Amino acid sequence: GQQLNQSPQSMFIQEGEDVSMNCTSSSIFNTWLWYKQDPGEGPVLLIALYKAGELTSNGRLTAQFGITRKDSFLNISASIPSDVGIYFCAGQLAEKLTFGTGTRLTIIP
Amino acid sequence: DAGVTQSPTHLIKTRGQHVTLRCSPISGHKSVSWYQQVLGQGPQFIFQYYEKEERGRGNFPDRFSARQFPNYSSELNVNALLLGDSALYLCASSSQYEQYFGPGTRLTVT
Repeated sequence: GQQLNQSPQSMFIQEGEDVSMNCTSSSIFNTWLWYKQDPGEGPVLLIALYKAGELTSNGRLTAQFGITRKDSFLNISASIPSDVGIYFCAGQLAEKLTFGTGTRLTIIP
Repeated sequence: DAGVTQSPTHLIKTRGQHVTLRCSPISGHKSVSWYQQVLGQGPQFIFQYYEKEERGRGNFPDRFSARQFPNYSSELNVNALLLGDSALYLCASSSQYEQYFGPGTRLTVT
């Protein structure tokens, strides 16, 4: 099935560093969402974006909905150990979410 | 408030068998969606139901079916199981745009 292009595929960072990941698509979406998934659990919604150009923050997380409606990015500032996990972007059109390939974030001691 | 709940947590089936997975949405949510997540990939859309009607279907064979009940809970049925059906099956509920996921059911087909 279709998956959005998400990069980087994995990141190895030290605690306290900032993180940036992005997601691109060949299709236009009405809504972009960012989820975090821990092993063996379901995705947890982090941020939802509804308008092209919109910039939204949730604590240390900031996400933007691209002007073309075909891309989005997520930034995490001052990473902490509980940020470890897999981050997925998802574009929404009507009833369907199309997910990205995921970015695995690892924090190096 | 309780989130999305799914049962069972884990399930092991043999090729050719059928399986029924269950989902209860967040209270007040009328829409339920089902996704399949194969190891190492993002979730893939299977179905969405709203007010007991199918609103959307992903690119899955007819062996996959679902229904929604008057209390908005939902079942996903898979017939004639194949090894490739082994995956985490996720249910999501929504009131408008944002979809909230349950913990999933891990299905292993041997």
